[in-house]
Amino acid sequence: DAKTTQPPSMDCAEGRAANLPCNHSTISGNEYVYWYRQIHSQGPQYIIHGLKNNETNEMASLIITEDRKSSTLILPHATLRDTAVYYCIEGGMRFGAGTRLTVKP
Amino acid sequence: SQTIHQWPATLVQPVGSPLSLECTVEGTSNPNLYWYRQAAGRGLQLLFYSVGIGQISSEVPQNLSASRPQDRQFILSSKKLLLSDSGFYLCAWSAGRALDYNSPLHFGNGTRLTVT
Repeated sequence: DAKTTQPPSMDCAEGRAANLPCNHSTISGNEYVYWYRQIHSQGPQYIIHGLKNNETNEMASLIITEDRKSSTLILPHATLRDTAVYYCIEGGMRFGAGTRLTVKP
Repeated sequence: SQTIHQWPATLVQPVGSPLSLECTVEGTSNPNLYWYRQAAGRGLQLLFYSVGIGQISSEVPQNLSASRPQDRQFILSSKKLLLSDSGFYLCAWSAGRALDYNSPLHFGNGTRLTVT
């Protein structure tokens, strides 16, 4: 079973920041936090990952708490094309149910 | 650059028929390979993973099997399909040695299987 906890769904207004939370309280010291997203009927797409430090790339920012038990994925200016299911996973390969983000005009 | 190929994109098979789905990766060596299944409206379930030729780890006992006959080829099979085998099957790869957790997964476009 997946070890992360995410809200099942969230809405965000277009152009605003989308902040997606994830709890991973059982994460071990050498496990990375990964975020992926899946647009309907496609394979998941890698977004970002991190171990301890906050990370940023062209798609998103990842904020990891100091105790590493939770993280937040930030999409700084959400667009309609960001509507997808977002998965947070600890370690490498087991997925939970994810958060369905709907970006509204 | 690395690419991953899955085929076919869609498949309709009768109950009791065999199944063979193939996945190949190009542009990398010694990838870790994975098969996932996604039932309608559900999350991704890890079925099998492989860290090398002939090395298969099964996550969930079921009506499916996997093989890795070549370094960059991963095959998902069934001798007799069940209705419950319907779903979206995804292959993925990651770089590194033996499940290096600092390497993200890269997914193919998937095969949508309908068992009738």
